[in-house]
Amino acid sequence: SQQGEEDPQALSIQEGENATMNCSYKTSINNLQWYRQNSGRGLVHLILIRSNEREKHSGRLRVTLDTSKKSSSLLITASRAADTASYFCATDGGVQGAQKLVFGQGTRLTINP
Amino acid sequence: DTAVSQTPKYLVTQMGNDKSIKCEQNLGHDTMYWYKQDSKKFLKIMFSYNNKELIINETVPNRFSPKSPDKAHLNLHINSLELGDSAVYFCASSPQLTRGVTQYFGPGTRLTVL
Repeated sequence: SQQGEEDPQALSIQEGENATMNCSYKTSINNLQWYRQNSGRGLVHLILIRSNEREKHSGRLRVTLDTSKKSSSLLITASRAADTASYFCATDGGVQGAQKLVFGQGTRLTINP
Repeated sequence: DTAVSQTPKYLVTQMGNDKSIKCEQNLGHDTMYWYKQDSKKFLKIMFSYNNKELIINETVPNRFSPKSPDKAHLNLHINSLELGDSAVYFCASSPQLTRGVTQYFGPGTRLTVL
């Protein structure tokens, strides 16, 4: 089944550095979303990129999408301690006309002060 | 104001028991979901409802029965709990059913089956 797979599984960097996380998926998509999950909390939507878009920005976030390689990346610039969280990509798919998000296992990002 | 709320936050119970988790959203959304997140953080959809109608049922054992009394509520009842049901269960909602919309997640219910 279609599934996002994040890489790396864990990433630890110093505050102020940039963090890059990658996501690969298996089948065609209409859109891809990135979510953040702080420890013990629910997921929070960060950004959505459609299949006809190649790059999208939101504040310190930059998302790219390469549909030919079935991959996406999330770049967080000038990282802060508050960015420490798990990051998930989610692809749509499944039931015709319905939204069924398929999540990967996430990248656990730790920002060291 | 909490957008998507779940109760309880923690649930510890014995194998074989029946338990329910409640979810409410005050966003006026039409669509609600239940997800299960296992110990490896893998998040998988279980059900989705649109205007109280079941849309997605992802090969979930029939011990799990969702109920939507109105479009603001989606509860999850689990019969005959098993050890493998231990996980964090997330409720989510979205404005509508179609693709490309953001989902809003609740804080999760950590279920531990002993």
